[in-house]
Amino acid sequence: NAGVTQTPKFQVLKTGQSMTLQCAQDMNHNSMYWYRQDPGMGLRLIYYSASEGTTDKGEVPNGYNVSRLNKREFSLRLESAAPSQTSVYFCASSSMNTEAFFGQGTRLTVV
Amino acid sequence: GENVEQHPSTLSVQEGDSAVIKCTYSDSASNYFPWYKQELGKRPQLIIDIRSNVGEKKDQRIAVTLNKTAKHFSLHITETQPEDSAVYFCAASGDSWGKLQFGAGTQVVVTP
Repeated sequence: NAGVTQTPKFQVLKTGQSMTLQCAQDMNHNSMYWYRQDPGMGLRLIYYSASEGTTDKGEVPNGYNVSRLNKREFSLRLESAAPSQTSVYFCASSSMNTEAFFGQGTRLTVV
Repeated sequence: GENVEQHPSTLSVQEGDSAVIKCTYSDSASNYFPWYKQELGKRPQLIIDIRSNVGEKKDQRIAVTLNKTAKHFSLHITETQPEDSAVYFCAASGDSWGKLQFGAGTQVVVTP
């Protein structure tokens, strides 16, 4: 039982490059989330998927896209990376009346 | 939308003393208030949570209180230990326990 698993753990991109962050959970949770964490700030919600087949914007969706591939997997894509997207990205999952469990994070640097 | 404010941003305490972190929220529809602990380079981990139909909850050395009328909630850590040193985040949620609005965090340093 791995919980929430994110790949990669670290990534360096050049401005304008694209990449996809992967997230998978094995807790049979319905909902999945992508957050970003910047220094001195709490986590901010980028996108979420309340259930398989649905996705919605969070607080800071600009520059990102998501795909809920199936119940287990929820990916985050940066089409054209910008230095402002340098951050630590956390995936999380939860279900009705259960706490949110977070992945170990992806540290992304855009140069 | 929801806005959560957290104070203080840093807190230094002597080992054995108590630590208190306070948060306020703006959306009266919020009904779930978790607290997460994050050690350096690690993921946030839930340490305690409270629902809006409860005023106080305790788990060993940690406790959370909620005042719905005033829209504020607090984390209390008693008999602090060096391993309590970390960043603590409060959060609020309404319709989904994973769709969270976080406070900015409190860096707690416990000195021996």
